[in-house]
Amino acid sequence: QLQLEESGPGLVKPSETLSLTCTVSGFSITTNDYYWGWIRQPPGKGLEWIGAIYYSGKTYYNPSLESRATMSVDTSKNQFSLNLNSVTAADTAVYYCARYYDTIEFDAFDTWGQGTMVTVSS
Amino acid sequence: DIQMTQSPSSLSASVGDRVTVTCQASQDIENSLNWYQQKPGKAPKVLIYGASNLQTGVPSRFSGRGSGTDFSLTISSLQPEDVATYYCQQYDDLPLTFGGGTKVEIK
Repeated sequence: QLQLEESGPGLVKPSETLSLTCTVSGFSITTNDYYWGWIRQPPGKGLEWIGAIYYSGKTYYNPSLESRATMSVDTSKNQFSLNLNSVTAADTAVYYCARYYDTIEFDAFDTWGQGTMVTVSS
Repeated sequence: DIQMTQSPSSLSASVGDRVTVTCQASQDIENSLNWYQQKPGKAPKVLIYGASNLQTGVPSRFSGRGSGTDFSLTISSLQPEDVATYYCQQYDDLPLTFGGGTKVEIK
C-alpha cells in the first residue's frame, strides 16, 4: 500500500535551513509519469506549491521560493528531500509531500503524506 | 502566475442541500483544473480532475464543470461527512497554484 511519510525537525531557528525528507513505501519512486512534490500550508491558510522533482533529478520550483529551495531524490532509499534556507517566521507551516501523477488523462496530486508541522522560532 | 479565486470563502448549508463552490482563473486554463477536499487536520484528497472527472472512490454526489476561466464544484446532497475545506488547483502552467479555499459547514 502506497504511503508517504514526512520527517524532519519540527522547530527551526530563523536564518537557518529547514530540511525535510519524504519516505515513499509501497511504490517505486522511479516509476515513469510520477513526480514528487512539496506543498505547504501556513496555520489557518491555504495551500502553496513549493516544487516537484522527477526521479531523474529534474526539478521544478515555485519562483517565489526558487532562490531558497533545493530538492533532491535518493532512489536507493526511495526518498526525496527539501531544503529551504534562510527561513523566517513566514515559513512556519505544515509541509506535505505528495505524489503527482502526470498523464494525458490525469494530472493531479493523487497521494499525500500526513504532513509535518515546522515552526520557525528562536 | 495564474491566480485562482474561489467563492464563497465559507458557506453553511443544511444536510441534503445542493451546494456549489466556484473557482475563477485569471486566464484561460482550458480544463486544467482539479478540486481537492481537506478535512480538519488531514491532508487534501483529490475529488475531481480535469475539471469534470470524478476520482475513483469519490461519491457521485460530487461533480465538477467548467472550462476556460470559470469552474464549479457541486455537492448534490450535502452530507455531514462533507464538512471540509475545498480547494481548486490549476495545472495549465507552472507554478501550480491553488485557490484560497471554501470552508463548508453544516447549518
